[in-house]
Amino acid sequence: SQQGEEDPQALSIQEGENATMNCSYKTSINNLQWYRQNSGRGLVHLILIRSNEREKHSGRLRVTLDTSKKSSSLLITASRAADTASYFCATDYAGGIFGKGTTLSVSS
Amino acid sequence: GAGVSQSPSNKVTEKGKDVELRCDPISGHTALYWYRQSLGQGLEFLIYFQGNSAPDKSGLPSDRFSAERTGGSVSTLTIQRTQQEDSAVYLCASSSYEGYEQYFGPGTRLTVT
Repeated sequence: SQQGEEDPQALSIQEGENATMNCSYKTSINNLQWYRQNSGRGLVHLILIRSNEREKHSGRLRVTLDTSKKSSSLLITASRAADTASYFCATDYAGGIFGKGTTLSVSS
Repeated sequence: GAGVSQSPSNKVTEKGKDVELRCDPISGHTALYWYRQSLGQGLEFLIYFQGNSAPDKSGLPSDRFSAERTGGSVSTLTIQRTQQEDSAVYLCASSSYEGYEQYFGPGTRLTVT
């Protein structure tokens, strides 16, 4: 079964707006990772947050982790058309299992 | 250094034929994963190798699917007696260790006619 699930399934915003997507997982973790997949291309690692961290930043990305709720959020600030992609979360459980992703569409 | 490579990039096969998909992980990475992604769907975990440990085969959808990893490096995913529902992009990833950042290959697009 999937160990990570993203919400919402789809998100449409305008350039410059912020995009927030959430991930829930089922088991205890050592870390949680977010990946991006552009249409027709491979997945790229964005950011990893460890279980003892609550928040982490990388450029326009901000990730939070709440281990008590088994949830994480990814915030993309000042979105750009190039951010249009599918975003997946993954836990480190049993080799890393992915959810179905959030499809983000950023229009100019 | 070189990233994860997969071959072939595209494979069209007739229903009932066997296919082999190859993955070359990043040198030194001990963990190797296979996933399947159908059109418009998320990633479906298939199988995971970590070092010399027995692989985690819990995601393989049927006994027609098998995989091996020779010498702790190259991996081959074999699908026997292919069915149309096997059509998908098969992705391989490797990481320096279990649970660490995964590096993905470009995938093999399999089409079963």
